Amino acid sequence: ETGVTQTPRHLVMGMTNKKSLKCEQHLGHNAMYWYKQSAKKPLELMFVYSLEERVENNSVPSRFSPECPNSSHLFLHLHTLQPEDSALYLCASSQDGGGRETGELFFGEGSRLTVL
Amino acid sequence: AQSVAQPEDQVNVAEGNPLTVKCTYSVSGNPYLFWYVQYPNRGLQFLLKYITGDNLVKGSYGFEAEFNKSQTSFHLKKPSALVSDSALYFCAVRDRGSTLGRLYFGRGTQLTVWP
Repeated sequence: ETGVTQTPRHLVMGMTNKKSLKCEQHLGHNAMYWYKQSAKKPLELMFVYSLEERVENNSVPSRFSPECPNSSHLFLHLHTLQPEDSALYLCASSQDGGGRETGELFFGEGSRLTVL
Repeated sequence: AQSVAQPEDQVNVAEGNPLTVKCTYSVSGNPYLFWYVQYPNRGLQFLLKYITGDNLVKGSYGFEAEFNKSQTSFHLKKPSALVSDSALYFCAVRDRGSTLGRLYFGRGTQLTVWP
C-alpha cells in the first residue's frame, strides 16, 4: 500500500452531478489536507483537518464539502460544480503536534477532475 | 504572512551540467523549508527539507539545497543533471511556530533537461 491513496484518479462529471473524491492515508498521521492544483496557478490549500476536526477552510465555495470520518480517511463531496472547478485535487497528510512532527506533507497521486 | 517566490517559471539545462532552481521565502518566524517534485499527472513527491543545523541539505536523487538565512533563500541544486530530472519543482515554507503542517508553496519551476 502506498502512503496516501486517492480514488478515483480521473473523474468526468456534468454540472448537475454529485460525486465524491476519496483519500486514505496509511501513515498513522493525524492531519489531512485537500489542495487544488489548476494550470498556471499556485497550489491552493482548500481544507485542513487535524484530529478529524476541520481547522481551516480557505474561502472554498459551498459546492465543495469535505468530510473526515476518522484520521485515516478524507472525502471531498462535489455537487453542482462549474467548469472552472476542473483541476487536479491533491490530498495530503502529516503528523503534527505532540513532538512527533516531521514537518513535511505526504501527497497522494491526485484526482483529475473534469467538469463539463 | 508566509510566502514563497520561485522567480523562474522555466529552467533549461543540458544533461550532465549543474542545475539550480531558485527559491526565496518570507516568513514571520524561523522557517521549515521544503522542496517537492511533480512528474506529469502525479502527486507531489518530497525531495528534501531544512529544519535546523547544517545549511546544506542533501535529499533524494542526488539533489541538495542550501539554506541562506541572510538572503532568505533555499535554492535547489544538483551537480550533474539527468534527462529524468525533467519535472515541475515546488519550494514550500512552513512557519516553525505553527503546530499544523500548513505549507505555503511557490508557483513551481518547470525544469527541462535536454540530452
